[in-house]
Amino acid sequence: GAVVSQHPSRVICKSGTSVKIECRSLDFQATTMFWYRQFPKKSLMLMATSNEGSKATYEQGVEKDKFLINHASLTLSTLTVTSAHPEDSSFYICSVPDFVGRYNEQFFGPGTRLTVL
Amino acid sequence: QKEVEQNSGPLSVPEGAIASLNCTYSDRVSQSFFWYRQYSGKSPELIMSIYSNGDKEDGRFTAQLNKASQYVSLLIRDSQPSDSATYLCAASTYFGNEKLTFGTGTRLTIIP
Repeated sequence: GAVVSQHPSRVICKSGTSVKIECRSLDFQATTMFWYRQFPKKSLMLMATSNEGSKATYEQGVEKDKFLINHASLTLSTLTVTSAHPEDSSFYICSVPDFVGRYNEQFFGPGTRLTVL
Repeated sequence: QKEVEQNSGPLSVPEGAIASLNCTYSDRVSQSFFWYRQYSGKSPELIMSIYSNGDKEDGRFTAQLNKASQYVSLLIRDSQPSDSATYLCAASTYFGNEKLTFGTGTRLTIIP
């Protein structure tokens, strides 16, 4: 399956600053990538679908002006958390869908742990 | 609204025994089902996928799907301490680039 990297793996920032997280598909050209958020001891919540060459599709309740997604190429999607606040502290994970045989499977990056002070 | 439900556990199983994890889903049009393993502080790792009714085996893992009952399960044979993790069940509606709906996960602890 797809090999996915994320950078940075961990970031600590002050409240009010913006943070950019990169998601790269290392061996597969991905027209679609997904961004998830996971709070401690909770399941993954899909935030948005990143589409290469077009606007991202956001899930209900996710502020698109706060979580900016740019799918600049077939191997790179970025998530920018603008004006971050402590409640944005979470584990952010991207995934890349890859066809395995007939079917589509999603492979996750290692995640980025964001702490907002 | 699509839902995937799992027993949150924790589920404790002696080393060498069979661990049985269960999942139900509400959306009848769901086509693809996945089991992910997530170690604490790490991202999910795909361990099994299943699309047809019946059993699918891969090493010590067996996934079972019953679409009539809207039920998916994962069996782990000869459980090892390294199997201790949270197991997430996920469902997808289409075979294309469709988003996954995740359950809340079952925490499994293998007791040496």
